[in-house]
This record gives sequence, structure tokens and C-alpha cells, in this order.
Amino acid sequence: AQSVTQLDSQVPVFEEAPVELRCNYSSSVSVYLFWYVQYPNQGLQLLLKYLSGSTLVKGINGFEAEFNKSQTSFHLRKPSVHISDTAEYFCAVTPGANFGNEKLTFGTGTRLTIIP
Amino acid sequence: GAVVSQHPSRVICKSGTSVKIECRSLDFQATTMFWYRQFPKQSLMLMATSNEGSKATYEQGVEKDKFLINHASLTLSTLTVTSAHPEDSSFYICSATEQGGTEAFFGQGTRLTVV
Repeated sequence: AQSVTQLDSQVPVFEEAPVELRCNYSSSVSVYLFWYVQYPNQGLQLLLKYLSGSTLVKGINGFEAEFNKSQTSFHLRKPSVHISDTAEYFCAVTPGANFGNEKLTFGTGTRLTIIP
Repeated sequence: GAVVSQHPSRVICKSGTSVKIECRSLDFQATTMFWYRQFPKQSLMLMATSNEGSKATYEQGVEKDKFLINHASLTLSTLTVTSAHPEDSSFYICSATEQGGTEAFFGQGTRLTVV
């Protein structure tokens, strides 16, 4: 079984400042890792994903994340945030094998609030 | 990217009635669909996994007779909340994956309010 821990439930950041949202996971098998963003009353939109290969993954809206196997982490970063980045962010994990038939396990989410 | 359309986006129903929520994959064949429930300010909780043409697999604690899931085709899954009660009020989200894919695509969600 897999689990995901998002250590920060809320992160306030000033506009144009950098941000890091933390995600740690546990799994006994190799995994795929994802970051999703959710705006109010909407579904989830994929920001980026790690499947294999380069540990630094770039996504949409200027976000990137780094997979660190030794620390079992997949932290999300953005060098300069905008007001429009205010949203809920979810880290998720799934077994790498048999993707599509396995469920995603989500973290509890981090509410990112950008302060003007 | 692929699109998953969920309908309705918002529904209000009376206690004791049933509500059907549709989840459609518009431009791909969804071999597996997932139904989640999300409480305010909380994460997504998986309710069930459905594969086309077979019975859904429900997570522990989810009443299969209350939350009926049908996945009759490769592009459509439905969730029916039967005999709804106010405690069933929630945000329901579906997602879909295709065979050989590496990403789950999510619907826009359905806000169900039972009065």
C-alpha cells in the first residue's frame, strides 16, 4: 500500500515570492508521482508527473518538482508565484506497474494563498 | 490533453430521492473509471473503481447498494446516489484512465446538496 503526506495544510506566500509545497510518500514498490491543482468547485488539473528518468520534472504554469528517492519526497516548487496560483494542491502516488487499473492515493492537500 | 466531462456540475435534490451523475471520456476510451468523494477542505476519498463491462469494486465502508455505479461503455460511467440523505451532500469527482496511459483525467466534479 502507498501513502502520501503533505506536511503543510496551508501556505501563505507573497506575490512574486518563491514557494515550495512539500510531499513525502511511502511505498514498497516503485511508484508514479503526481501533483494536481484544484480551483474552487472544480475537478483536478494535472500540474506535472514523475514516471521515471530525470528527477527534475517541469510542469505547467511554471511549476517544477524534484523526485528524491532516498528521502521519498516529491516537493513542488515555483520561483515566483502569482495571484492566480491561489488554489488547493494535491500530491498523489500510484504503483508504477499496471497503471490505469490502480487507484491514486492522495495527500490531504495544501492550500496555497497568494498575498498581494 | 484528454477530456473527461462530468454532469451535472451542481444538483439539489430532496431527501429520499435518487440522483444520477454521469462521467464521460470525450476523446479516449476509458478502460477504468474512479469515483471519489470530497468533503469540504479535505482530500479526495476513493469510493469505487469501475472497469467497463464488469461490476465496480467498492472501497471499504462504501455502501454499494446506496452508491450504484455502472460502467456500461468505454466512454461512460454513472454514479447513482439512491435514497439520498443530507449526509450524502458532498462534492463527487470522477476520473478516467486509458489502457497503457500514464495519467488520470478528472471530471469537473458534481456538487450534490440533499435538502
